[in-house]
Amino acid sequence: NAGVTQTPKFQVLKTGQSMTLQCAQDMNHEYMSWYRQDPGMGLRLIHYSVGAGITDQGEVPNGYNVSRSTTEDFPLRLLSAAPSQTSVYFCASSHGTNEQFFGPGTRLTVL
Amino acid sequence: DAKTTQPNSMESNEEEPVHLPCNHSTISGTDYIHWYRQLPSQGPEYVIHGLTSNVNNRMASLAIAEDRKSSTLILHRATLRDAAVYYCILRSPGGQGGSEKLVFGKGMKLTVNP
Repeated sequence: NAGVTQTPKFQVLKTGQSMTLQCAQDMNHEYMSWYRQDPGMGLRLIHYSVGAGITDQGEVPNGYNVSRSTTEDFPLRLLSAAPSQTSVYFCASSHGTNEQFFGPGTRLTVL
Repeated sequence: DAKTTQPNSMESNEEEPVHLPCNHSTISGTDYIHWYRQLPSQGPEYVIHGLTSNVNNRMASLAIAEDRKSSTLILHRATLRDAAVYYCILRSPGGQGGSEKLVFGKGMKLTVNP
């Protein structure tokens, strides 16, 4: 199993650009989520999904969209990037209330 | 969401046991207690989780109070690699109006002295 994979590893955007952060898992986990982590801070939940076709907002959803068309994939879309969205983004997945597996992260800089 | 309270930081010595406390006085009967850690410049890493009984795995032990309002993560022999931020998190099973979401707090920084 590859576990949780994220692409890209690094990205630089200009203010106003849009992009999609990709997340995929091959463990057939129904639960997937996106976090952001700003320098020196803890993780904050952006959006999560409890299964294909079901998504919900976390603590900091503004500026981000998600969809879950398959069990494996959970992309995070930035519609119009802002400098405040400069952060490290982690995707995670789990089965029920069991161990949550994290991806390696995407480091995003918005100029 | 039920909250947890941890000290901001703790120090321990290498090769000694360390007990990391967590209070969760508003825990519900179905909430699981999860512990994760984050080493410097890395993503979070699962440590252990439990519901009512004490749990052991290769990384640590989790001792849960009888009333479930507190728990303790036990590292039996701290190593320099255990220096990290440790997060104690409650996670509900979802359904019946609940949510499985895992919400991280500020965590507790563990320093391990050589």
